[in-house]
Amino acid sequence: DQQVKQNSPSLSVQEGRISILNCDYTNSMFDYFLWYKKYPAEGPTFLISISSIKDKNEDGRFTVFLNKSAKHLSLHIVPSQPGDSAVYFCAANSGGNEKLTFGTGTRLTIIP
Amino acid sequence: DTEVTQTPKHLVMGMTNKKSLKCEQHMGHRAMYWYKQKAKKPPELMFVYSYEKLSINESVPSRFSPECPNSSLLNLHLHALQPEDSALYLCASSQGGFRYNEQFFGPGTRLTVL
Repeated sequence: DQQVKQNSPSLSVQEGRISILNCDYTNSMFDYFLWYKKYPAEGPTFLISISSIKDKNEDGRFTVFLNKSAKHLSLHIVPSQPGDSAVYFCAANSGGNEKLTFGTGTRLTIIP
Repeated sequence: DTEVTQTPKHLVMGMTNKKSLKCEQHMGHRAMYWYKQKAKKPPELMFVYSYEKLSINESVPSRFSPECPNSSLLNLHLHALQPEDSALYLCASSQGGFRYNEQFFGPGTRLTVL
């Protein structure tokens, strides 16, 4: 049972434009959400997080939006840069426990 | 120091070998994790140590044996592995204490079982 889903396995975006990565979840107990970026043969790198008491969190070029009623979150990257090409995972957590549930990942390719 | 380090980077072992993976962090984090990641799949949690005690074992086969000698070190002892255990093994750490906090990952050990 995949509780966190990223329905787009891949996404291509022109350099300088906005990249929007989407994530859906089914478990209503999730109350903390994170985005990670992963290059091949490296560990995931934490990008940004949001708790369920907020609907938006921004950090530089990265903004995460949370729609609790739709059980949907999205990551916006603007402007997109070639170094953003990577696999992006969303992850969810409930009640502050130690377990993260990861989505299946979206491969983002930025076209120069 | 904001790094999680893992050794070795690559490991090739036979099914009868015994080997260990090592992980170290010096961020004062009190929770440490082992994940397994297969190609084109998300990281899959194996074990969690919280304040040096095993708090989560995700029904991992006993041929994987974790150890937390102190709050900075985490080992994963491997014995009698199967070829399907070949994967990227990731270590992570977080502040712990049931607060909402991010997990920081190491670069991983690429394990091949022959």
